[in-house]
Amino acid sequence: GAGVSQTPSNKVTEKGKYVELRCDPISGHTALYWYRQSLGQGPEFLIYFQGTGAADDSGLPNDRFFAVRPEGSVSTLKIQRTERGDSAVYLCASSPSNDSPLHFGNGTRLTVT
Amino acid sequence: GENVEQHPSTLSVQEGDSAVIKCTYSDSASNYFPWYKQELGKGPQLIIDIRSNVGEKKDQRIAVTLNKTAKHFSLHITETQPEDSAVYFCAAPSNQAGTALIFGKGTTLSVSS
Repeated sequence: GAGVSQTPSNKVTEKGKYVELRCDPISGHTALYWYRQSLGQGPEFLIYFQGTGAADDSGLPNDRFFAVRPEGSVSTLKIQRTERGDSAVYLCASSPSNDSPLHFGNGTRLTVT
Repeated sequence: GENVEQHPSTLSVQEGDSAVIKCTYSDSASNYFPWYKQELGKGPQLIIDIRSNVGEKKDQRIAVTLNKTAKHFSLHITETQPEDSAVYFCAAPSNQAGTALIFGKGTTLSVSS
């Protein structure tokens, strides 16, 4: 079956610009997670949704980062006034419940020039 | 919060040898320990997981052992093959960020034929 889909796969933007990254979870998965992975590091938690609501956003680094999941399925991670330090791979994962393994997408590689 | 330490950071073995990767965690309340394999350009993929009510779990050439007293768990790969070459991550529940996972920094495994 279809896995977690993330678009675009690559995004290059200039410093100061706004970007949106999209995640299509596995159908029926109620839990959705965003992670950020820098080169040579493990995934770093950003935000977790249960249904439409953000159950925990404690990992968002600052108020330039925001995520939504308005209908409990597709989620969008939004980054305002991008900085070079935001360059990383942004991973999305979903699971059927909050007690099940995470299924990751292949990520969006964001490069801020 | 949870802190996950992973060792070694790199591991090189000959085809057919065994490989062992170790992780320690800090939160004694953690009860779920997955291992993920990540290939270049792909998202992490779950390969095996263990819950705290068992000490060992095996799936063909892969096994995970858990020592709750010492707060460490290990991944064992036997009869390694070149296709096992990848980056492996251990993880443990945040316990502060809902059910989000905290990942180790990863181990790059190279299997030479």
